Amino acid sequence: DAKTTQPNSMESNEEEPVHLPCNHSTISGTDYIHWYRQLPSQGPEYVIHGLTSNVNNRMASLAIAEDRKSSTLILHRATLRDAAVYYCILRGETSGSRLTFGEGTQLTVNP
Amino acid sequence: NAGVTQTPKFQVLKTGQSMTLQCAQDMNHNSMYWYRQDPGMGLRLIYYSASEGTTDKGEVPNGYNVSRLNKREFSLRLESAAPSQTSVYFCASSEVSWPGANVLTFGAGSRLTVL
Repeated sequence: DAKTTQPNSMESNEEEPVHLPCNHSTISGTDYIHWYRQLPSQGPEYVIHGLTSNVNNRMASLAIAEDRKSSTLILHRATLRDAAVYYCILRGETSGSRLTFGEGTQLTVNP
Repeated sequence: NAGVTQTPKFQVLKTGQSMTLQCAQDMNHNSMYWYRQDPGMGLRLIYYSASEGTTDKGEVPNGYNVSRLNKREFSLRLESAAPSQTSVYFCASSEVSWPGANVLTFGAGSRLTVL
C-alpha cells in the first residue's frame, strides 16, 4: 500500500493560515488523497479529499502537487477548535477498504 | 440525525471475559468498519464489511469476531479479552467501500480496559 509521511507536530497562531504538508511519493494513479482530523477524545472526522485538482470546501482547501507526490491541507484562519491530529490518507485501488491511518500531525493552535 | 452510534462508551473487563461492542448507523451506508486506536497511535483496521452479508479481516483481526447483523448494525466481539486489547474502538461507515472518493463517518468511540 502506498504510504504517506507527515510531520509529527506543527504550531500555529489563532486566526493565521496553517499549511499542513503530506508526502506520498508512491501514490498510484487511482488513489484519492483524503484528510481527516481527530479532536481530543473524539472519533476522526472527514475534512476534504481530492484526486488531481485543488479542492475547496467550508472547512479547508487541499492543494495537490502537479506530480501528485505531495499535498497540502490549508486552514485559512486557524481557530482554537482546529487543534487536532490531522491524518493524510490515500484511498483507492491499492488500499481498497483498508483505510490505513498513520500517526498524523498534531496541530497546536496558540491563542 | 445520529450518524454512527456506538455502545457502550466505556467498559472494564477482566482477562478472559467476553463482550460485544455494538455499532449502528442511520445513513443507509453499505460499508462498515471497526478500528482500534492505542495511545499516541493512529487507527488500525480490525474488520470491515463491504456490504450486508460480507465481512473481511483488516490489519489486526486476531482475538476478534464480527457480525454484520443487517445493513444498519455491525458488532465486534471479544471472546476472551486480553490486556493487549485495551484500546479505544471506533466504528465507521461509508456509502460504499469503493471507489476511493467515498468518505468515512466515525462514531464517538468505545473505551475498553482489560485488567
